[in-house]
Amino acid sequence: AQKVTQAQTEISVVEKEDVTLDCVYETRDTTYYLFWYKQPPSGELVFLIRRNSFDEQNEISGRYSWNFQKSTSSFNFTITASQVVDSAVYFCALSEFTGGGNKLTFGTGTQLKVEL
Amino acid sequence: EAGVAQSPRYKIIEKRQSVAFWCNPISGHATLYWYQQILGQGPKLLIQFQNNGVVDDSQLPKDRFSAERLKGVDSTLKIQPAKLEDSAVYLCASSLAASGGADTQYFGPGTRLTVL
Repeated sequence: AQKVTQAQTEISVVEKEDVTLDCVYETRDTTYYLFWYKQPPSGELVFLIRRNSFDEQNEISGRYSWNFQKSTSSFNFTITASQVVDSAVYFCALSEFTGGGNKLTFGTGTQLKVEL
Repeated sequence: EAGVAQSPRYKIIEKRQSVAFWCNPISGHATLYWYQQILGQGPKLLIQFQNNGVVDDSQLPKDRFSAERLKGVDSTLKIQPAKLEDSAVYLCASSLAASGGADTQYFGPGTRLTVL
């Protein structure tokens, strides 16, 4: 069965600090996709990034960067120079193709609080 | 491009009452998902439609929950009768098509249900 673990329940940082959110996953599939979503207090899940299991190239997008390591089944997310607006719950998710659909298994989320 | 629309945003009902949620996906998206997110947890898939057919409803409590997607566009999710443990945020998501796990799901703002 698919499983996503986000061991960090809550992280508090001061603005401008860098912060890394950890994600570890379990799957028997050889082809899979990993996602990060952000859920601000308004409640809507906002898509941040998608990675497939064949692409271990790390990516940087502005202040965000992602580190995918298949050998350790990890897909970590780093925010550089954090800002108050980054305060949200961040979810890591694993996509499973169920033979007729595309099911996301989410972790329990990491609450990030960025303070002045 | 308009995102996924959901209504109502909030609903408070007494236990044993019935309630219905509505979702309008992104235009052209063939696949529609309903998730339940209990406070402090990640979203859990309830049901997935591709066009107007059900792809996966294995985690839908069918004794009280029902969903339909007539004409392959809008969808409604109904709970009858509601229980206290149904208090949660109900999220609707859509994706272009089920394509072996690669699809990105885009989420609506959710409906926060409180059952008293």
